This record gives sequence, structure tokens and C-alpha cells, in this order.
Amino acid sequence: ETGVTQTPRHLVMGMTNKKSLKCEQHLGHNAMYWYKQSAKKPLELMFVYNFKEQTENNSVPSRFSPECPNSSHLFLHLHTLQPEDSALYLCASSQERTGGGTGELFFGEGSRLTVL
Amino acid sequence: AQTVTQSQPEMSVQEAETVTLSCTYDTSENNYYLFWYKQPPSRQMILVIRQEAYKQQNATENRFSVNFQKAAKSFSLKISDSQLGDTAMYFCAFMKPKTSGSRLTFGEGTQLTVNP
Repeated sequence: ETGVTQTPRHLVMGMTNKKSLKCEQHLGHNAMYWYKQSAKKPLELMFVYNFKEQTENNSVPSRFSPECPNSSHLFLHLHTLQPEDSALYLCASSQERTGGGTGELFFGEGSRLTVL
Repeated sequence: AQTVTQSQPEMSVQEAETVTLSCTYDTSENNYYLFWYKQPPSRQMILVIRQEAYKQQNATENRFSVNFQKAAKSFSLKISDSQLGDTAMYFCAFMKPKTSGSRLTFGEGTQLTVNP
């Protein structure tokens, strides 16, 4: 059983829809991440929340809006997406130390997004 | 910026045999971390092995070991006594130390199939 749960597992939406992806971690970690996984491309880091504060936004379009209400929950709000946004969106968590990251990420199974 | 390259999109191996997956990276950093992650068909990605650049000894985890060549910027993964459960996508990843959050740069992945 995974310590990081993502819902929904599959989502189909039109370009004018608004939807949200949810991630919950049960590991007591203090950092959470959104990655985008497209076919034949490296995973792309989208957002990093460390101690609930956003510390990374890798030039992600504003049609993706993250929300981290507490250290256990992470959302990705989706609005007016494009077909090229179709991908597997992976959530991950980690336990960070004061001196820096450990690199050990715990991933969810992903949300497969299809934009029509 | 760091880059990670996995030149083998697909590989296959017979059960019980040994296989080596290649990874090269480019960085100007002297100290950093390298990782191999495994993503089985169920899609939950897990950490396989981790190497710290300042350690000359190659990391080993049971049947998994690495060949870390710092001067050549090479970080290959050797899987001994391959098992059917090793069938997965394998990702090589790089991380700078002392960053806020574990921000990994991933390669494109190598799909490994273990044949019975």
C-alpha cells in the first residue's frame, strides 16, 4: 500500500473545464512535489512545497495552480488546459533536513490526465 | 543547468542473467547525489539506489549495484540475477546538495524487460 495517494487516477477533461488533482501523504513528510511525466521525456518538476511554502515554480503556465493547505495535502488545480498538457501527473513527498534534501522521494501512482 | 542522459530507451534480459543500464550526466558541481529510480507497470516509482559523489565506493543494495565514474560523469546500474519483477522503467536522477527540497533532474528512462 502506497504512503502517497493520488486521486483521481484517470481524468478526461475539455479545454474549458476546471478540475483538480489531489494528493495525500501518510508518511509525516514535510515536503511535497508535483511532477509531469510525458512519453519519451524526462520527468519535469513543476512545483515544490517545503514546510508548506512553495519554493519552486519551474516556469509552469498559470493554467496550473498548486495549493498546499497543510503538510499532508497537495492539490493541482487545472483550468483551460491544452491538449499538450495530457500526461501522467505524479505527486511525491520527502522528509527534508535542515541541511538540504535527501533525494529520497516517495511517489504516488499518478493521475493520468487527458485533455480533449 | 544539469542534464541527465540515458542512451538506452529499451533493454531486455533473460531471467537470472545480469544487465547494465547506462547513465551519463553533465554538471559543474563537485559534490552532488545520483539516484536510480524504478517505475514498475503499476506506475509507483521507488528509489532503488543512491550514490553520493564524494564517496568513491560504489553503492550496493542487494542485487543492485552501481558503477560510478566521477571523471567520466557516468553512473551505470547493474542488476544481477534478474527477476521478472525487475521489469520496469528505470530512471537515473541527479541532485545538488543543500537545496531546499529534494529537486531531482531525471533522465528519459530505460524500459527494462526481463524475459522468462
